[in-house]
Amino acid sequence: SQQGEEDPQALSIQEGENATMNCSYKTSINNLQWYRQNSGRGLVHLILIRSNEREKHSGRLRVTLDTSKKSSSLLITASRAADTASYFCATVRGRDDKIIFGKGTRLHILP
Amino acid sequence: GAVVSQHPSWVICKSGTSVKIECRSLDFQATTMFWYRQFPKQSLMLMATSNEGSKATYEQGVEKDKFLINHASLTLSTLTVTSAHPEDSSFYICSARDWDRGNTGELFFGEGSRLTVL
Repeated sequence: SQQGEEDPQALSIQEGENATMNCSYKTSINNLQWYRQNSGRGLVHLILIRSNEREKHSGRLRVTLDTSKKSSSLLITASRAADTASYFCATVRGRDDKIIFGKGTRLHILP
Repeated sequence: GAVVSQHPSWVICKSGTSVKIECRSLDFQATTMFWYRQFPKQSLMLMATSNEGSKATYEQGVEKDKFLINHASLTLSTLTVTSAHPEDSSFYICSARDWDRGNTGELFFGEGSRLTVL
């Protein structure tokens, strides 16, 4: 079963705008990860945030984590056409350390 | 980051035939690899965990006789879809973790294999 639920499922914004995607999860976590997938390709790891961290930055990416609400957000600032992709949050399943993915957000950057 | 190579990137086969997909870790040793399946516009579903030198562990609902996994070396895992049927058509992706070099357990993915069963 899927651990995470992202919203929105799909998002279209104009190039240059900021894109925000959210992820909710159900169980306790040690860390939460965000991945990106271009159409028909494998996934690429973007950023990992530990459970004792509240915010993390990497280039144009900003991730927040609220463990009390069991939620995380991924913000992409100054979006570019090349950011068009699907974005997934992932958490580690506690009982066996497997990484389970949410349903993903399909982001489309309009030129 | 670590590199995982997957082959073939796409394959078309007839119903009833078997198809083998290879997953290799190119610059690290992977005692464990993971196989995911993805339907169009959906998320990745974990199918099984491939363990070097021992049997794979399958997720609930995944037929182990249908999806044979072999992990014969520290750098190679294979997934064989046996007696494939059209409903097996999907995007199969392998991944592995590289715990060395200071990595924190993130997954490194192959480029995926798109299987179409006619």
